[in-house]
Order: sequence, then structure tokens, then C-alpha cells
Amino acid sequence: AQSVTQPDIHITVSEGASLELRCNYSYGATPYLFWYVQSPGQGLQLLLKYFSGDTLVQGIKGFEAEFKRSQSSFNLRKPSVHWSDAAEYFCAVGSNDYKLSFGAGTTVTVRA
Amino acid sequence: KAGVTQTPRYLIKTRGQQVTLSCSPISGHRSVSWYQQTPGQGLQFLFEYFSETQRNKGNFPGRFSGRQFSNSRSEMNVSTLELGDSALYLCASKVAATDTQYFGPGTRLTVL
Repeated sequence: AQSVTQPDIHITVSEGASLELRCNYSYGATPYLFWYVQSPGQGLQLLLKYFSGDTLVQGIKGFEAEFKRSQSSFNLRKPSVHWSDAAEYFCAVGSNDYKLSFGAGTTVTVRA
Repeated sequence: KAGVTQTPRYLIKTRGQQVTLSCSPISGHRSVSWYQQTPGQGLQFLFEYFSETQRNKGNFPGRFSGRQFSNSRSEMNVSTLELGDSALYLCASKVAATDTQYFGPGTRLTVL
């Protein structure tokens, strides 16, 4: 069965600083990987996804993620965070059994 | 194109009652999945439907059930509500099995 680990429960970053959120997955085959963001009281918005090909993927809002098969990781990065990036971020792995398995999430706080 | 819609957005029920939640997928999407989100358990997969057939089910008791109609709209039902069923219930739709899931805003269920 697939699983996702997000080691950081909470990260605080200054506005304008860089951000990196860690994600490690466990899955026997080639994974489908996603990052979603959730603002309070809202649903999940897709930031980016990796299915195959180029291991560095670009997403919306200036986010990017790099797939590293050797490390079973799919870390999310943003060079310069904005106050509006404060939210909860979820890494997920999809499989051929039609479901997504999510990590526990990382809450990002942006300080002025 | 309109996104995934869920109704109602908020619901308050008492223990022992039953509840039905509705989800309308993005036009052209034939797969609908349901997830439960709680602070303690995070995001957990409930079930997935495609062309009115349930293809996968998560580890939830039989009180949780769902169905999908010929127009791809889906409903989930929870019978004999328990306090622990209080959660945000998210619906997601996609075109095909390995495609990206797009989420609705969720239904916040509170069980008193």
C-alpha cells in the first residue's frame, strides 16, 4: 500500500524568504505525485503534479517540485513567499487503485 | 468550466440521524471520489465511483455508503451518525483513473 510522510508539521517563514516543504512517499510502482494547498475552511487546490518525464515540475503561484526516485521524495519549493502563501500544504500519491493517499500536511505561517 | 460543487456546504445533525451529501463533478468527469478530513486522522479515502460503479472503498464502516448517477453526480450517505463523524467531507472528480483529481469546497458536517 502506498503512503506519504510529511516530516514537518509546521513551518514559519518570513515574507520574501524561500520555502521548502518535504515529502517522502512509499509506493511499489511509478507513483503519480501531487501537491495540494488548502486555505482555512476551503477545499484542496492543485498546485502541481508529476506523472512522468521531467523530474522538475512547475506549478501555479510560483511553486515547483522535484521528483527524486532514489530518495522517494517530492519536495515542494518556492523562491520567495508571499503572505498569501500561508495555508496548509498536502503531498499526495496516486495509484492504480483509483485513490489518493495524503500526507498529514504542513502548515505554513508567513511572518511580515 | 465550472468546478466541483458540493451541497450543502454546512450541516448540523444529532447522533443517530442520517445524512446525505451531494457532489456534482466537473463536466465531462466520470470519476468521483469522496474523502473525509478530520484534525486527528487527516484526509482519508472513502470511496470512488466511475460510471455508476464503485471501484474502490476505504476502511470505513458500512454506515458510510455512496452512489453515482448516470449524469456522474454522486451522493454519499452516513447512517446512524456518531460524534466522530464530524468532519469536512470532500468530493473530487477526474476524467480517468490516473488523471488529476479536482476537489470541491467540501461539506462541513457537525454531529451534536
